[in-house]
Amino acid sequence: AQRVTQPEKLLSVFKGAPVELKCNYSYSGSPELFWYVQYSRQRLQLLLRHISRESIKGFTADLNKGETSFHLKKPFAQEEDSAMYYCALSTGNQFYFGTGTSLTVIP
Amino acid sequence: NAGVTQTPKFRVLKTGQSMTLLCAQDMNHEYMYWYRQDPGMGLRLIHYSVGEGTTAKGEVPDGYNVSRLKKQNFLLGLESAAPSQTSVYFCASSQTNRGSPLHFGNGTRLTVT
Repeated sequence: AQRVTQPEKLLSVFKGAPVELKCNYSYSGSPELFWYVQYSRQRLQLLLRHISRESIKGFTADLNKGETSFHLKKPFAQEEDSAMYYCALSTGNQFYFGTGTSLTVIP
Repeated sequence: NAGVTQTPKFRVLKTGQSMTLLCAQDMNHEYMYWYRQDPGMGLRLIHYSVGEGTTAKGEVPDGYNVSRLKKQNFLLGLESAAPSQTSVYFCASSQTNRGSPLHFGNGTRLTVT
């Protein structure tokens, strides 16, 4: 069965510190992975998708098929990064979400 | 470009009442989804549709029904609301291309008393 695991419900870092939000998945096929961000009381927005291999707002994520991980990283956290982050797996016509990690960046 | 629009934004129901949530998208997307978001549980798929006239059950379909009579609209119905259905509901849509992301609406905050 498909599953997405985000082991940290809450994560706090100081401004300027590196941040890593963990995501592990289980899927027997070829995965399509995404990171979504939800700022306070707003809709979920696409942050990254692994096929694009891009950097958005300073965040990057690399798909590691050996470790079945898609961790989200940023070298220097900013206060505006405080939000809820969801990792998601697409199997074609369905998306599976992790339980989310709430990131707080402390000034 | 409105994207994905949900109505209403807020609603309070009494146990046993019924209501319909409307989702509309103007991006000509084939796929549409309804999720519920609960603290500590992330987003869980209720129902989804891969095209006009089709619907399928997701992870938590019980107590909900859906219809996709027009490609741009996806309706979520609660026939007899229960307090366990208190949640934030998100509609989303996507293209069929592999790797296409979901586009979300603003959400509907539903409280069932």
